[in-house]
Amino acid sequence: AQSVAQPEDQVNVAEGNPLTVKCTYSVSGNPYLFWYVQYPNRGLQFLLKYITGDNLVKGSYGFEAEFNKSQTSFHLKKPSALVSDSALYFCAVRIYGNNRLAFGKGNQVVVIP
Amino acid sequence: EAGVTQFPSHSVIEKGQTVTLRCDPISGHDNLYWYRRVMGKEIKFLLHFVKESKQDESGMPNNRFLAERTGGTYSTLKVQPAELEDSGVYFCASSQERQGRETQYFGPGTRLLVL
Repeated sequence: AQSVAQPEDQVNVAEGNPLTVKCTYSVSGNPYLFWYVQYPNRGLQFLLKYITGDNLVKGSYGFEAEFNKSQTSFHLKKPSALVSDSALYFCAVRIYGNNRLAFGKGNQVVVIP
Repeated sequence: EAGVTQFPSHSVIEKGQTVTLRCDPISGHDNLYWYRRVMGKEIKFLLHFVKESKQDESGMPNNRFLAERTGGTYSTLKVQPAELEDSGVYFCASSQERQGRETQYFGPGTRLLVL
């Protein structure tokens, strides 16, 4: 079975400060890892993914994530948060041959002006 | 290129009624997925179509839910009869391939409230 944990319900950060949203996963195989963001009254938007290769993945809107196999983590980061980054962030995992995404419960990010 | 679209955006129905949700995938995407998020919980997989065939429907909660994808284009998800616990946001996603590494692109969701 595959599962994702996003340990924090809400992340508060001041505008301009670094933003980190944590994600750990559990799979029985090599993981494919994804981050999605949901802005208010909008659908899920794809941010970035890790498939193979470099552990540091860069995505949309200045976000990046680092795959850490030993810690089974895929934390999302942004060096300098914007108020417009306030949204709900979901981490998800898949394994080869299994098409379903397993999502974490989501993290509400609040960027304080 | 148009993204995944879903209709309606919101639906409020009474317990026991029927509701049909529609999803139009990105043109050319053979793979279509349905997911659901019940309030405050994880987004859960419901089922996966490859063209018009159900590849995996192991996430469907019970036989009150019926998904179809006639002709391999748009898909419908019918809930009959609806129960209170069916309330939530129903997301549709589509992708070109199905090897695990491809990105699934999501629609805006249908917010269903059963009273």
